[in-house]
Amino acid sequence: DGGITQSPKYLFRKEGQNVTLSCEQNLNHDAMYWYRQDPGQGLRLIYYSQIVNDFQKGDIAEGYSVSREKKESFPLTVTSAQKNPTAFYLCASSPGTGGIGYTFGSGTRLTVV
Amino acid sequence: KQEVTQIPAALSVPEGENLVLNCSFTDSAIYNLQWFRQDPGKGLTSLLLIQSSQREQTSGRLNASLDKSSGRSTLYIAASQPGDSATYLCAVFDYGGATNKLIFGTGTLLAVQP
Repeated sequence: DGGITQSPKYLFRKEGQNVTLSCEQNLNHDAMYWYRQDPGQGLRLIYYSQIVNDFQKGDIAEGYSVSREKKESFPLTVTSAQKNPTAFYLCASSPGTGGIGYTFGSGTRLTVV
Repeated sequence: KQEVTQIPAALSVPEGENLVLNCSFTDSAIYNLQWFRQDPGKGLTSLLLIQSSQREQTSGRLNASLDKSSGRSTLYIAASQPGDSATYLCAVFDYGGATNKLIFGTGTLLAVQP
């Protein structure tokens, strides 16, 4: 079955450590997205990519980095520069733009210890 | 800047009741609006999508309406069931310059009591 796989489901980060969240899709979608979800704040866009080897900052990109070397993969690195990284992170993909056909992964919960 | 608001933030109803969730947006120049469902600790599932030229969409017990001029959408759930308990989010697709993206509301947490 086609879908998006996020791993790990739970992740713990120590202060000053970089961590990478994985997102893989087998839907042949061109566009991929990373969102952050905090209680009471809805989803906020971190980065998005509309095509391989290209990506753009979203609303809250500071302290995060991404790469899009393959169509299927869009990993997110949470760097030590992100001062409040504890949150639920969601990856999504879509066939193109237009807001149609979004498919979401099941999320990664990141906690700073 | 487009802002999406959902009221109420939380709602508890007895099983069998009909209910309405509200979504408002500040800029009427949207391409479409979607309603999503999110179960605890899970990703989002799209329920209904309304194009800007449409007034409503229906799927089973769900009916979503769109009034662009007033910046409002409603999600009507008929004969609610405990399995409907989840967070419901609305999102508008915004042609904001070069950043074509979905903008999400903060969600309504629905609890249907058996």
